[in-house]
Amino acid sequence: KAGVTQTPRYLIKTRGQQVTLSCSPISGHRSVSWYQQTPGQGLQFLFEYFSETQRNKGNFPGRFSGRQFSNSRSEMNVSTLELGDSALYLCASSLAQGDYNEQFFGPGTRLTVL
Amino acid sequence: GNSVTQMEGPVTLSEEAFLTINCTYTATGYPSLFWYVQYPGEGLQLLLKATKADDKGSNKGFEATYRKETTSFHLEKGSVQVSDSAVYFCALRNNQGGKLIFGQGTELSVKP
Repeated sequence: KAGVTQTPRYLIKTRGQQVTLSCSPISGHRSVSWYQQTPGQGLQFLFEYFSETQRNKGNFPGRFSGRQFSNSRSEMNVSTLELGDSALYLCASSLAQGDYNEQFFGPGTRLTVL
Repeated sequence: GNSVTQMEGPVTLSEEAFLTINCTYTATGYPSLFWYVQYPGEGLQLLLKATKADDKGSNKGFEATYRKETTSFHLEKGSVQVSDSAVYFCALRNNQGGKLIFGQGTELSVKP
């Protein structure tokens, strides 16, 4: 069974631009979560989607948004990029919401903002 | 609020040495606890988990016991290998599901 895939793997943008990252969960998984990883702040939760609905949101500005499609694939968008948005963005999928459902992580998209 | 604190790295050990990475947490209720490992250039892999007090999670020679009285979930391995070199993250997830809350990560370097 294929794992979580994220595209693109690497991205370079300039300040003020916007970017869209994509995540394809493991087949059959319906929950997708996004995390931002930076050296200074570590791993921080962005949002979680289940059945095309945002179920949980972290403490990020409105420039960060996401969505989930009917096939459970998810995208996240960052508008008006800032230098501080440079990070590794990780997507994780699980069968469903809930404590006992293990989250499987993708390799991440490394975003560099110049 | 919920939080996880783990020992700072980097931790450098010789092959076959004993490993302990300390992790303590603050949480309301009864969270589930996890250790994830991140190898260079890769995403996170679940190493082990424990869902209630006194549970012991184990995998690939690594162990951690959920200690509610000390709010700890320390990672141990009796004999590390060079291939164990990675960054290790302790995390919790509350019993309503949803987000993982991670510690800052501890980099482990094992020398031959």
